[in-house]
Amino acid sequence: GEDVEQSLFLSVREGDSSVINCTYTDSSSTYLYWYKQEPGAGLQLLTYIFSNMDMKQDQRLTVLLNKKDKHLSLRIADTQTGDSAIYFCAFPFSGGYNKLIFGAGTRLAVHP
Amino acid sequence: DAGVTQSPTHLIKTRGQQVTLRCSPKSGHDTVSWYQQALGQGPQFIFQYYEEEERQRGNFPDRFSGHQFPNYSSELNVNALLLGDSALYLCASSLGAFEAGANVLTFGAGSRLTVL
Repeated sequence: GEDVEQSLFLSVREGDSSVINCTYTDSSSTYLYWYKQEPGAGLQLLTYIFSNMDMKQDQRLTVLLNKKDKHLSLRIADTQTGDSAIYFCAFPFSGGYNKLIFGAGTRLAVHP
Repeated sequence: DAGVTQSPTHLIKTRGQQVTLRCSPKSGHDTVSWYQQALGQGPQFIFQYYEEEERQRGNFPDRFSGHQFPNYSSELNVNALLLGDSALYLCASSLGAFEAGANVLTFGAGSRLTVL
């Protein structure tokens, strides 16, 4: 079945770049998503990438997709304290229904 | 434009009790999905409602049930609560039950359930 793995924790200094990684098992998804969850809040869509793309850039965010290795990454440039949150990669279940499977999330801690 | 609203935000129950959580989808959305997020984990899909019917279901027991109303709002019911049901319950809405382009889910802030 489908599975998604993420590293659980990442600590970076303010101003540095952060790279959050995700590996998945199912390769039939058309879109792959990154969600952000701040303490006590729901999930906020951060960005997404279409499966026929290798890279997508959106301001400080860069998403890289390696379909061969089934690896997805999110790079945050010039990381700020406001970026401290939990980041989830997610992709739709097979079958085309609009439902998502999530990784366990990577907690990003940004320190001065 | 109001997003997804959920109620209550927090609640405490005891084992064996029953709970009902409510969700109003984002304006213009007609599909509601429910997710359970246990502490330290990612959200897990419970089920999805479209056209007032359960369309898809995740790996959850029958103690978890739901309903969708004609105005697209939805309820999640959990019977015979267990300690392990303690979690953040997230409602997500979308337009349509099928993946369509970048048609993504809009999540509410969740209802945090504690079972004692």
